Amino acid sequence: DAGVTQSPTHLIKTRGQQVTLRCSPKSGHDTVSWYQQALGQGPQFIFQYYEEEERQRGNFPDRFSGHQFPNYSSELNVNALLLGDSALYLCASRSGQIQETQYFGPGTRLLVL
Amino acid sequence: GQQVMQIPQYQHVQEGEDFTTYCNSSTTLSNIQWYKQRPGGHPVFLIQLVKSGEVKKQKRLTFQFGEAKKNSSLHITATQTTDVGTYFCAGLRDRGSTLGRLYFGRGTQLTVWP
Repeated sequence: DAGVTQSPTHLIKTRGQQVTLRCSPKSGHDTVSWYQQALGQGPQFIFQYYEEEERQRGNFPDRFSGHQFPNYSSELNVNALLLGDSALYLCASRSGQIQETQYFGPGTRLLVL
Repeated sequence: GQQVMQIPQYQHVQEGEDFTTYCNSSTTLSNIQWYKQRPGGHPVFLIQLVKSGEVKKQKRLTFQFGEAKKNSSLHITATQTTDVGTYFCAGLRDRGSTLGRLYFGRGTQLTVWP
C-alpha cells in the first residue's frame, strides 16, 4: 500500500515563474491538504481539498491555487514566484473523518532564485 | 487567530538524559497530534491525543494532553542518538470553520550527543 506520494522531489525556479506540484494521497484517503514549511519553521496550512472543492484556506495569497481530481490526487499551483516562496511543500491526506490521522508525503523542495 | 506555541525551540542533551517539549494553544483543541521530522525528511506521525488529561506511552516516549485540552507535552526518557530530529505538535481546533485544519507549533529541535 503506497503512502502519500509527491512530485517532483526538488525544483528550482526563478522569480516570476509559475510552478505546479503534484500529490497522490494514500489509498483510501479522499481529503488532501497542502502545507508550506519554511526553513526552521513548522508547516503552515495553505488549503484543503475534499470532493474536488477547496474547503478551507489559510493565510496565503491568491497566487497559490489548487485542484483536486476525481481520483483524489491534487495539484498545488503557485504563480508569480517570489524568493520567499522557497520552502518545503508538503501534501497530507486523510479520510473524510476529521479525527482521522493525516499522513504526510515526502514533500517537494522548491528553491526560487 | 489560533496560535500553537511550542518550547523550547532547541534542546541539546547528552545520550541518556531526558527530554521534554511543551505545546500550548490559545484555544481549546479537538485533539493534538505529535510528529517527528528527521533532518532532510518530512513530518512523520507519532501519536494523537483526544481526551482531556489523556496520557499515552510509546516505549520511552510519554505524551500528555492537558485537562483543559489547551496544552500538551512529549517526554523522552533516556534519549538515544536515534531520537535526533525536530518534534512538532499540531492541534486540531475544537469548533468553527477551521475544523480539520492542523495548526503546527514551531517545533523543538533535539540534538543528542553520544
